[in-house]
Parts: sequence; structure tokens; C-alpha cells
Amino acid sequence: GENVEQHPSTLSVQEGDSAVIKCTYSDSASNYFPWYKQELGKRPQLIIDIRSNVGEKKDQRIAVTLNKTAKHFSLHITETQPEDSAVYFCAVFMDSNYQLIWGAGTKLIIKP
Amino acid sequence: SQTIHQWPATLVQPVGSPLSLECTVEGTSNPNLYWYRQAAGRGLQLLFYSVGIGQISSEVPQNLSASRPQDRQFILSSKKLLLSDSGFYLCAWSGGDTQYFGPGTRLTVL
Repeated sequence: GENVEQHPSTLSVQEGDSAVIKCTYSDSASNYFPWYKQELGKRPQLIIDIRSNVGEKKDQRIAVTLNKTAKHFSLHITETQPEDSAVYFCAVFMDSNYQLIWGAGTKLIIKP
Repeated sequence: SQTIHQWPATLVQPVGSPLSLECTVEGTSNPNLYWYRQAAGRGLQLLFYSVGIGQISSEVPQNLSASRPQDRQFILSSKKLLLSDSGFYLCAWSGGDTQYFGPGTRLTVL
């Protein structure tokens, strides 16, 4: 079955700097890759997603890149702000059973 | 637009007591529905998912069960809670591949 690895588990960056979180997956047939942000005590919320027919997608300060050949995708946050502090989860969609396979999460800490 | 509700928001239950958590979705029909559990500081563990009324798939064998009595209603139950059942229970719905989460129920078993 699909396996998703997410790195790093914790990332601390200075406010205003960029943050990058990377996920690798095993099933080359996968074609949908969402990213979720979970603030403390809240539900995970979709922040950006990408499908296998594109290599990059941007939404203001966040972007996702996908390398299907290498089977990895990354979340990029530029000009980080205190409100970006949260846990970020990547996921990969399985067509066979309508499930998302989740990464273990990255705790992003923005230092003032 | 679609909305997903969960209740209760918080729950404190003694070990050995029963459990019933409810999730309902508005604004869509025939959604895929999911129950997840999240232990403190941990990731998302899929417990059950359903692609239609009465169709439940279990991912983790344990003392929990799920039912889908109506198209947009998903219920998580237990006959006897264990200490290890404590956690943040999240319901999610999907119309295809993207999943959207409810506000969650924080369960503490004492």
C-alpha cells in the first residue's frame, strides 16, 4: 500500500524567512496531494493542493511543488508570520478506497 | 455551501462507560464519511470510513464501532471505553478526493 514520509518533524524559522516541508510517497499511480494546517486545538484545514497534471501551484505566500518522477512534493511558505505557527500535514489520495494517506506532521515554529 | 457538524465538543467519561459521537453533513448528498482519532501531539489515525448508507469499513480493530443510519449522518460508538480511547475525534466528509473536517470532539476517559 501507499506510504507517506514527511520531513522534518519540527521546523523552527525566523519570522520573515521561508519554510519548506517535504513529503515522499511510494505509489506512482497517486495523483492528488493536499496540504492541511492544524492550529492548536483546532481541526485540520486544507490550505493548498496539487494534482499530478501540474508541477507547481501558488496561493499568495504558500506554494506546493510536485515531482512525480521522484515521487515527492513540498510545501513552501515565504515571508513567514507568527500566524503560520501550526502543525502541517501532507497527504496522498488513494483512488482504490477513497482514503487519504497522511504524513506524520511537521510542527512549524515561527520565532519573532 | 457544505457544513459539517459534530457533537458534543468535549466529553469526559469514566472507563467502562458507553460512547456515542455524532456527525452530520449539510449541503451535499451521498458524501464519503470518515472518522479519525488524534492522540495528543500525534497524527491522524483513520478509524472508519463509509461510501454509502450502511457501508462501513474499519481500519483499526478495537472496541469502537461506526454506523451510518442516514445519508449524511455518521455515528461513532463504544460499549465500554478504555483509557486509551482518549483523544480528539474528527469526522470528515468528501465529495471526491478532498476531505473537509468537522470541529472535532475532545474525549477524555478517566
